[in-house]
Amino acid sequence: DAGVTQSPTHLIKTRGQQVTLRCSPKSGHDTVSWYQQALGQGPQFIFQYYEEEERQRGNFPDRFSGHQFPNYSSELNVNALLLGDSALYLCASSSRFVGLDEQFFGPGTRLTVL
Amino acid sequence: GENVEQHPSTLSVQEGDSAVIKCTYSDSASNYFPWYKQELGKGPQLIIDIRSNVGEKKDQRIAVTLNKTAKHFSLHITETQPEDSAVYFCAASRDYGQNFVFGPGTRLSVLP
Repeated sequence: DAGVTQSPTHLIKTRGQQVTLRCSPKSGHDTVSWYQQALGQGPQFIFQYYEEEERQRGNFPDRFSGHQFPNYSSELNVNALLLGDSALYLCASSSRFVGLDEQFFGPGTRLTVL
Repeated sequence: GENVEQHPSTLSVQEGDSAVIKCTYSDSASNYFPWYKQELGKGPQLIIDIRSNVGEKKDQRIAVTLNKTAKHFSLHITETQPEDSAVYFCAASRDYGQNFVFGPGTRLSVLP
């Protein structure tokens, strides 16, 4: 049973550029949440998707946007990158049918903005 | 909004000893409290969780206790092993899709 997968593993961008990160949820899961984890800190909630719509959003600017596809996979897009966007971006999946409580995390995408 | 505090930030124990990590939360509506272990270069891994209708839960060497009145919960690891060395995060959330609010983490080192 494949767990949560994310791509790419690492990414280097320059200020002002745009980036797209991808996530495939655990088999049987229909909900995807994205988190940003700065170095030495706990993950911070960005937003959550199910039924192809954004359902909840944390305290992040509109430069952060997302999408969920019919197969439940998801993308996180960040526009006009800032140095402060450098972080580990984590995707977590869960199932509304089992209970949204339990979230399983992927290995993350390490984004470096120069 | 919810705020989760976690102590200590670092913890070193001898192999075989016990380790305790404590968290407090601010939102009385929170009712789900997971604990995650994060090893270097990996995503967080759920190790145990507890819901507000339960005061204690145990899984082999790991246990979690919850005091809803005081709004704090703790992770207990007994008979620690070197492979328990990692960063541990507590989190809190409401039911049904509410986002997780994480604590800042505790770096646990188990010395052989």
